[in-house]
Amino acid sequence: EDKVVQSPLSLVVHEGDTVTLNCSYEVTNFRSLLWYKQEKKAPTFLFMLTSSGIEKKSGRLSSILDKKELFSILNITATQTGDSAVYLCAVGYSNYQLIWGAGTKLIIKP
Amino acid sequence: DAEITQSPRHKITETGRQVTLACHQTWNHNNMFWYRQDLGHGLRLIHYSYGVQDTNKGEVSDGYSVSRSNTEDLPLTLESAASSQTSVYFCASSEGLRDTQYFGPGTRLTVL
Repeated sequence: EDKVVQSPLSLVVHEGDTVTLNCSYEVTNFRSLLWYKQEKKAPTFLFMLTSSGIEKKSGRLSSILDKKELFSILNITATQTGDSAVYLCAVGYSNYQLIWGAGTKLIIKP
Repeated sequence: DAEITQSPRHKITETGRQVTLACHQTWNHNNMFWYRQDLGHGLRLIHYSYGVQDTNKGEVSDGYSVSRSNTEDLPLTLESAASSQTSVYFCASSEGLRDTQYFGPGTRLTVL
């Protein structure tokens, strides 16, 4: 059965810390891995990764994919209270659907 | 700017009533999706469509139906609302051959 597993489920850090969120997957016909940020509303798109070893970066956020070991990480450096959110990982497969992980709830304390 | 909207944003209904949630996108995307999100379950796919007159069942489709008569709209109907269908419902869309989905603001549905 296809699955996407995120860890940790929740994480509390202080402002300024660096965090690493993990996403592992077992999905037949893998096409892509996507990261989304969800505050108290709809998920918003962060990154899509399709190739191993190529880092995607946007400001203090970065992500990389390892297709051999079947995982991705999302790094956030110099965290701010505005980074508090649920971070969702999803894997795209052959028919343009996404399989979703349960999310990591990140809380940044001032 | 292109966008995806949902209405209503909040809805309270009674068990057994038929409810329709609207989803409208101006991205001109072929693919549209309905999800529900509940604590402990993440996002679960209800129905999806790859174009006009095309609809498909997702993993939790029982008790729900959709129809696609044009590119912009994919309304979700709960045939006979049940308390187990209390949830937050998200509509999403994606361009034909791309995986990235863009979400509407969500509808919070309460079935009493």
